[in-house]
Amino acid sequence: KQEVTQIPAALSVPEGENLVLNCSFTDSAIYNLQWFRQDPGKGLTSLLLIQSSQREQTSGRLNASLDKSSGRSTLYIAASQPGDSATYLCAVESQAGTALIFGKGTTLSVSS
Amino acid sequence: KAGVTQTPRYLIKTRGQQVTLSCSPISGHRSVSWYQQTPGQGLQFLFEYFSETQRNKGNFPGRFSGRQFSNSRSEMNVSTLELGDSALYLCASSLEYSTTGKHSPLHFGNGTRLTVT
Repeated sequence: KQEVTQIPAALSVPEGENLVLNCSFTDSAIYNLQWFRQDPGKGLTSLLLIQSSQREQTSGRLNASLDKSSGRSTLYIAASQPGDSATYLCAVESQAGTALIFGKGTTLSVSS
Repeated sequence: KAGVTQTPRYLIKTRGQQVTLSCSPISGHRSVSWYQQTPGQGLQFLFEYFSETQRNKGNFPGRFSGRQFSNSRSEMNVSTLELGDSALYLCASSLEYSTTGKHSPLHFGNGTRLTVT
Protein backbone atom coordinates (compact mmCIF):
# COMPACT_ATOMS: atom_id res chain seq x y z
CA LYS A 1 0.00 0.00 0.00
CA GLN A 2 1.44 3.35 -1.07
CA GLU A 3 2.12 5.82 1.73
CA VAL A 4 3.29 9.40 1.33
CA THR A 5 5.14 11.24 4.07
CA GLN A 6 6.11 14.88 4.31
CA ILE A 7 8.66 16.09 6.83
CA PRO A 8 8.72 18.51 8.53
CA ALA A 9 5.07 19.18 9.29
CA ALA A 10 5.82 22.88 9.76
CA LEU A 11 8.65 25.20 8.78
CA SER A 12 9.36 28.86 9.55
CA VAL A 13 11.95 30.85 7.61
CA PRO A 14 12.87 34.53 7.14
CA GLU A 15 12.10 36.21 3.86
CA GLY A 16 14.71 35.68 1.15
CA GLU A 17 15.82 32.27 2.29
CA ASN A 18 16.03 29.34 -0.13
CA LEU A 19 14.31 26.26 1.22
CA VAL A 20 13.57 22.62 0.43
CA LEU A 21 10.42 20.68 1.25
CA ASN A 22 10.62 16.91 1.32
CA CYS A 23 8.23 14.19 0.22
CA SER A 24 8.83 10.45 0.45
CA PHE A 25 6.76 7.55 -0.84
CA THR A 26 6.99 3.86 -0.05
CA ASP A 27 6.38 2.30 -3.48
CA SER A 28 8.75 3.55 -6.17
CA ALA A 29 6.54 2.34 -9.03
CA ILE A 30 4.64 5.57 -9.48
CA TYR A 31 2.86 7.07 -12.49
CA ASN A 32 3.37 10.71 -11.59
CA LEU A 33 3.83 13.04 -8.64
CA GLN A 34 2.26 16.46 -8.10
CA TRP A 35 3.00 19.30 -5.74
CA PHE A 36 0.14 21.47 -4.56
CA ARG A 37 -0.24 24.59 -2.48
CA GLN A 38 -3.18 25.18 -0.14
CA ASP A 39 -4.01 28.52 1.45
CA PRO A 40 -6.11 28.52 4.65
CA GLY A 41 -9.75 27.69 3.95
CA LYS A 42 -9.11 27.29 0.26
CA GLY A 43 -8.72 24.51 -2.24
CA LEU A 44 -5.48 23.21 -3.68
CA THR A 45 -3.50 24.88 -6.44
CA SER A 46 -1.40 22.63 -8.63
CA LEU A 47 2.20 23.84 -8.70
CA LEU A 48 4.15 21.20 -10.58
CA LEU A 49 3.49 17.76 -12.05
CA ILE A 50 6.41 15.41 -12.64
CA GLN A 51 5.83 12.46 -14.89
CA SER A 52 7.43 9.16 -13.92
CA SER A 53 9.94 9.48 -16.77
CA GLN A 54 11.06 12.95 -15.69
CA ARG A 55 13.65 13.98 -13.13
CA GLU A 56 12.52 17.54 -12.45
CA GLN A 57 10.15 20.34 -13.34
CA THR A 58 10.57 24.08 -12.92
CA SER A 59 8.13 26.95 -12.67
CA GLY A 60 9.45 30.37 -11.75
CA ARG A 61 11.07 30.19 -8.32
CA LEU A 62 9.92 26.60 -7.84
CA ASN A 63 11.82 23.47 -8.79
CA ALA A 64 10.61 19.96 -8.07
CA SER A 65 12.78 16.90 -8.40
CA LEU A 66 11.87 13.24 -8.47
CA ASP A 67 14.04 10.26 -7.56
CA LYS A 68 11.86 7.19 -7.98
CA SER A 69 14.53 4.71 -6.97
CA SER A 70 14.85 6.27 -3.54
CA GLY A 71 11.15 7.14 -3.26
CA ARG A 72 11.77 10.84 -2.80
CA SER A 73 10.76 14.18 -4.21
CA THR A 74 11.83 17.65 -3.17
CA LEU A 75 10.29 21.05 -3.79
CA TYR A 76 12.87 23.82 -3.86
CA ILE A 77 11.64 27.38 -3.33
CA ALA A 78 14.14 30.10 -4.16
CA ALA A 79 14.20 33.52 -2.49
CA SER A 80 11.13 32.86 -0.34
CA GLN A 81 8.53 35.61 0.13
CA PRO A 82 5.77 36.12 2.73
CA GLY A 83 3.27 35.31 -0.02
CA ASP A 84 4.73 31.80 -0.16
CA SER A 85 3.25 31.10 3.27
CA ALA A 86 0.86 28.19 2.82
CA THR A 87 0.61 24.43 3.22
CA TYR A 88 2.44 22.46 0.55
CA LEU A 89 1.22 18.96 -0.28
CA CYS A 90 2.68 16.31 -2.48
CA ALA A 91 0.56 13.60 -4.04
CA VAL A 92 1.42 10.41 -5.85
CA GLU A 93 -0.54 8.64 -8.55
CA SER A 94 0.68 5.10 -8.12
CA GLN A 95 -0.74 3.66 -11.32
CA ALA A 96 -2.55 5.19 -14.24
CA GLY A 97 -6.16 5.63 -13.36
CA THR A 98 -5.75 5.35 -9.61
CA ALA A 99 -6.52 8.10 -7.15
CA LEU A 100 -3.92 10.51 -5.87
CA ILE A 101 -2.46 9.62 -2.48
CA PHE A 102 -1.57 12.72 -0.53
CA GLY A 103 0.92 13.45 2.17
CA LYS A 104 -0.30 15.50 5.13
CA GLY A 105 1.63 18.53 3.99
CA THR A 106 4.24 20.95 5.25
CA THR A 107 2.96 24.28 6.55
CA LEU A 108 5.40 27.00 5.56
CA SER A 109 5.56 30.39 7.24
CA VAL A 110 7.79 33.07 5.70
CA SER A 111 8.34 36.12 7.88
CA SER A 112 9.20 39.58 6.56
CA LYS B 1 -11.53 30.81 -17.84
CA ALA B 2 -13.60 30.05 -14.75
CA GLY B 3 -12.16 27.63 -12.25
CA VAL B 4 -13.81 24.75 -10.45
CA THR B 5 -16.90 25.98 -8.63
CA GLN B 6 -18.27 24.28 -5.55
CA THR B 7 -21.54 25.14 -3.87
CA PRO B 8 -22.40 25.82 -1.19
CA ARG B 9 -19.25 27.08 0.53
CA TYR B 10 -20.51 26.28 4.02
CA LEU B 11 -23.12 23.90 5.38
CA ILE B 12 -24.29 23.10 8.87
CA LYS B 13 -26.33 19.95 9.32
CA THR B 14 -27.43 17.78 12.21
CA ARG B 15 -26.75 14.11 12.70
CA GLY B 16 -29.00 11.83 10.70
CA GLN B 17 -29.71 14.36 7.97
CA GLN B 18 -28.49 14.06 4.42
CA VAL B 19 -26.63 16.58 2.29
CA THR B 20 -25.90 17.18 -1.39
CA LEU B 21 -22.82 19.06 -2.56
CA SER B 22 -22.33 20.40 -6.07
CA CYS B 23 -19.29 20.81 -8.28
CA SER B 24 -18.97 22.49 -11.68
CA PRO B 25 -15.67 21.61 -13.37
CA ILE B 26 -13.57 23.80 -15.60
CA SER B 27 -15.12 24.05 -19.03
CA GLY B 28 -13.95 21.16 -21.19
CA HIS B 29 -12.84 19.00 -18.28
CA ARG B 30 -14.50 15.61 -18.25
CA SER B 31 -13.02 14.06 -15.12
CA VAL B 32 -14.27 15.06 -11.67
CA SER B 33 -12.87 13.72 -8.41
CA TRP B 34 -14.02 14.23 -4.84
CA TYR B 35 -11.82 14.32 -1.74
CA GLN B 36 -12.51 14.66 1.97
CA GLN B 37 -10.03 16.69 4.02
CA THR B 38 -9.85 16.50 7.81
CA PRO B 39 -7.11 17.59 10.21
CA GLY B 40 -6.52 14.03 11.39
CA GLN B 41 -6.67 12.04 8.17
CA GLY B 42 -5.61 14.66 5.66
CA LEU B 43 -6.92 14.34 2.12
CA GLN B 44 -8.72 11.11 1.33
CA PHE B 45 -10.12 10.11 -2.04
CA LEU B 46 -13.85 9.55 -2.29
CA PHE B 47 -14.56 8.84 -5.97
CA GLU B 48 -13.83 9.87 -9.55
CA TYR B 49 -16.25 10.28 -12.43
CA PHE B 50 -15.44 10.43 -16.11
CA SER B 51 -18.07 10.80 -18.81
CA GLU B 52 -20.86 10.14 -16.32
CA THR B 53 -19.33 6.86 -15.12
CA GLN B 54 -17.74 6.22 -11.75
CA ARG B 55 -14.21 5.08 -12.59
CA ASN B 56 -12.71 4.87 -9.15
CA LYS B 57 -13.94 4.67 -5.58
CA GLY B 58 -12.19 5.20 -2.29
CA ASN B 59 -12.65 3.38 0.97
CA PHE B 60 -15.73 5.16 2.27
CA PRO B 61 -19.06 3.66 3.41
CA GLY B 62 -22.03 3.46 1.09
CA ARG B 63 -23.54 6.56 2.74
CA PHE B 64 -21.26 8.50 0.43
CA SER B 65 -22.41 8.53 -3.18
CA GLY B 66 -22.02 10.67 -6.23
CA ARG B 67 -22.98 11.16 -9.81
CA GLN B 68 -21.94 13.10 -12.87
CA PHE B 69 -24.21 14.71 -15.41
CA SER B 70 -23.81 14.97 -19.18
CA ASN B 71 -22.39 18.48 -18.83
CA SER B 72 -19.69 17.05 -16.49
CA ARG B 73 -21.15 18.75 -13.42
CA SER B 74 -21.05 16.46 -10.42
CA GLU B 75 -22.86 16.06 -7.14
CA MET B 76 -22.01 14.07 -4.07
CA ASN B 77 -24.49 12.99 -1.46
CA VAL B 78 -23.95 11.94 2.13
CA SER B 79 -26.85 10.27 3.88
CA THR B 80 -27.41 9.69 7.59
CA LEU B 81 -24.77 12.21 8.57
CA GLU B 82 -22.41 11.46 11.44
CA LEU B 83 -20.31 13.86 13.50
CA GLY B 84 -17.19 12.40 11.87
CA ASP B 85 -18.39 13.55 8.46
CA SER B 86 -17.49 17.12 9.39
CA ALA B 87 -14.79 18.06 6.91
CA LEU B 88 -13.79 20.15 3.94
CA TYR B 89 -15.04 18.41 0.81
CA LEU B 90 -12.97 19.22 -2.25
CA CYS B 91 -13.82 18.65 -5.86
CA ALA B 92 -11.19 18.54 -8.58
CA SER B 93 -11.42 18.39 -12.34
CA SER B 94 -8.98 17.41 -15.02
CA LEU B 95 -8.95 17.33 -18.77
CA GLU B 96 -8.46 13.63 -19.23
CA TYR B 97 -8.80 10.46 -17.29
CA SER B 98 -5.41 9.09 -16.34
CA THR B 99 -5.58 5.87 -18.37
CA THR B 100 -5.53 7.88 -21.58
CA GLY B 101 -1.85 8.27 -20.96
CA LYS B 102 -2.08 12.02 -20.77
CA HIS B 103 -0.81 13.49 -17.55
CA SER B 104 -3.45 16.04 -16.67
CA PRO B 105 -2.98 18.05 -13.51
CA LEU B 106 -5.89 18.29 -11.12
CA HIS B 107 -7.57 21.65 -10.61
CA PHE B 108 -9.34 22.00 -7.27
CA GLY B 109 -12.28 24.10 -6.16
CA ASN B 110 -12.30 25.96 -2.84
CA GLY B 111 -14.37 23.26 -1.23
CA THR B 112 -17.52 22.96 0.83
CA ARG B 113 -17.04 23.15 4.57
CA LEU B 114 -19.53 20.74 6.15
CA THR B 115 -20.18 20.87 9.87
CA VAL B 116 -22.32 18.16 11.45
CA THR B 117 -23.72 18.93 14.91
